[in-house]
Amino acid sequence: EAGVTQFPSHSVIEKGQTVTLRCDPISGHDNLYWYRRVMGKEIKFLLHFVKESKQDESGMPNNRFLAERTGGTYSTLKVQPAELEDSGVYFCASSQDLGVGYTFGSGTRLTVV
Amino acid sequence: RKEVEQDPGPFNVPEGATVAFNCTYSNSASQSFFWYRQDCRKEPKLLMSVYSSGNEDGRFTAQLNRASQYISLLIRDSKLSDSATYLCVVKGSSASKIIFGSGTRLSIRP
Repeated sequence: EAGVTQFPSHSVIEKGQTVTLRCDPISGHDNLYWYRRVMGKEIKFLLHFVKESKQDESGMPNNRFLAERTGGTYSTLKVQPAELEDSGVYFCASSQDLGVGYTFGSGTRLTVV
Repeated sequence: RKEVEQDPGPFNVPEGATVAFNCTYSNSASQSFFWYRQDCRKEPKLLMSVYSSGNEDGRFTAQLNRASQYISLLIRDSKLSDSATYLCVVKGSSASKIIFGSGTRLSIRP
């Protein structure tokens, strides 16, 4: 079974530019999550999709972040415009059922300069 | 106060030693508990779920104490390959999110 795939693995962009991160969950997993870890901090929840619907987006830091999951398959997370404090590692995870452990992708390391 | 608190370490122990980590959580309504392992610059990987009755997986034993709101992980006969950061993870009553501790760094020396 293919795992959770994230693209790109690394991205370096200038402040003010736009970046789009992509996540392909494990096939058949309805639940898809975005998390991020900024320097020196713990991994924090951003949002949760159930199929194509946003179940919980309470962790999204501000309106510069937009997540979509059209068709309930892969998801994108767009940051526009990027700021320096957005630098960190963005993880995507998926699960088939709630209440079980998630499978994480290898993450996208975003650096805003 | 953080929702999930862990001693950041680092714990530096010799190969073959037994090492234990604790983690406390603040939300008494939390439902599910996990230990994840994260290697340097890699993604977190599920190590084991934690049940009230306690559970064991080989050299690893996890315990949950709901009354005191803490979770523990015991590693016996530690191997060099156990060197990693161990993340305590708690899922609340919300269906959506899991809360991560900041992790405990473990280094096993030969």
